[in-house]
Amino acid sequence: KAGVTQTPRYLIKTRGQQVTLSCSPISGHRSVSWYQQTPGQGLQFLFEYFSETQRNKGNFPGRFSGRQFSNSRSEMNVSTLELGDSALYLCASSLAGVPGNTIYFGEGSWLTVV
Amino acid sequence: AQTVTQSQPEMSVQEAETVTLSCTYDTSESDYYLFWYKQPPSRQMILVIRQEAYKQQNATENRFSVNFQKAAKSFSLKISDSQLGDAAMYFCAYRSDRYPTNTGNQFYFGTGTSLTVIP
Repeated sequence: KAGVTQTPRYLIKTRGQQVTLSCSPISGHRSVSWYQQTPGQGLQFLFEYFSETQRNKGNFPGRFSGRQFSNSRSEMNVSTLELGDSALYLCASSLAGVPGNTIYFGEGSWLTVV
Repeated sequence: AQTVTQSQPEMSVQEAETVTLSCTYDTSESDYYLFWYKQPPSRQMILVIRQEAYKQQNATENRFSVNFQKAAKSFSLKISDSQLGDAAMYFCAYRSDRYPTNTGNQFYFGTGTSLTVIP
């Protein structure tokens, strides 16, 4: 079956703009979580959605937001982009979002802010 | 907050040999999961192995095994018979299993170890 799909894979934005990234989880998976990966900070948890509700949020400013639709697809939005937002954004999905479930990652969306 | 430390930024191993990657973590919780993920150049995180903290037996998956020392908060990964395809970045990760406030899929990752396999 299809894996976790993230779009777009690569994008370049200008400081001050906003960006929306999309994640389609594995069919049947209801939990979607997002991570930011940078060389300096490593992998950091952004937020998790389960059944259209944000269940947990990492330590990121309010410019970072997300949502989940009824079909479990998720989007994350970053407003007023800063140079430091340049990163690989990874999405992960799992069946029910409980610790025992295996989570599967997508290949990520590369965001470059210039 | 939980922290995960990988003290080896880079490691190398000869093909067919064995290598051990180190990971330590800090937590006050008693129930949690530990993971090793592999990130090849494609950047997709791939689960290598998982360990439940309540299990004393070390997890194994084919050529991959762990040495889980709960008291020492240590979780090392051993790769036996290393293959060229094992070359990647390896991340150690922690996930809480504290009920009822378990944090779902919030992982805490280490900074990674870049593994090179020498032919």
